[in-house]
Amino acid sequence: EVQLVESGGGLVQPGGSLRLSCAASGFTFSSYWMSWVRQAPGKGLEWVANIKQDGSEKYYVDSVKGRFTISRDNAKNSLYLQMNSLRAEDTAVYYCARVMNPGIAAAALDYWGQGTLVTVSS
Amino acid sequence: AIRMTQSPSSFSASTGDRVTITCRASQGISSYLAWYQQKPGKAPKLLIYAASTLQSGVPSRFSGSGSGTDFTLTISCLQSEDFATYYCQQYYSYPPYTFGQGTKLEIK
Repeated sequence: EVQLVESGGGLVQPGGSLRLSCAASGFTFSSYWMSWVRQAPGKGLEWVANIKQDGSEKYYVDSVKGRFTISRDNAKNSLYLQMNSLRAEDTAVYYCARVMNPGIAAAALDYWGQGTLVTVSS
Repeated sequence: AIRMTQSPSSFSASTGDRVTITCRASQGISSYLAWYQQKPGKAPKLLIYAASTLQSGVPSRFSGSGSGTDFTLTISCLQSEDFATYYCQQYYSYPPYTFGQGTKLEIK
């Protein structure tokens, strides 16, 4: 059974940093692109970042470029999102998700974690 | 970035109704479109990908159609568990992948 479990969320002050983790199991993690998607309270879904199977390609939404870094450790079956210079507008539930076709970036997101809440507030 | 616009943003329907949600892309995306269902406090669930392919385990009352810029999600006979928010997403041109703003389906 495919499982994605996020952790690392919490309350942080504006300008602070946080590192989210996503533990993957039930599939060959190293074969898939992975994504982070966020959802502000009461709002819709926003794709945040993607990373290729080997970590050699990374893409970000403009609003987080230069502040967030996506990474992965295939030996640990784990995905990460390092978030720096956090702003109030980064407050959201952050989901990790698997891109459904092995080796393909242009595909739907077929498995999602339960999400972890990040609150940026003083 | 490609903009995805869903309509309506919300509406009410009754169990047993046939409902259709539309999604329009600001430019052609071929069939690179997915539909998701999200219930309060839960993660989104993939319903349909490639515009019309039903994800494994999704009931056959859900169907998708369209290509290019105009797409629809149809639920043929609403069940109580279908009341949720639905999102379309394009994955034709990235970054960024973009989602529609969502359509909230409520019980009449």
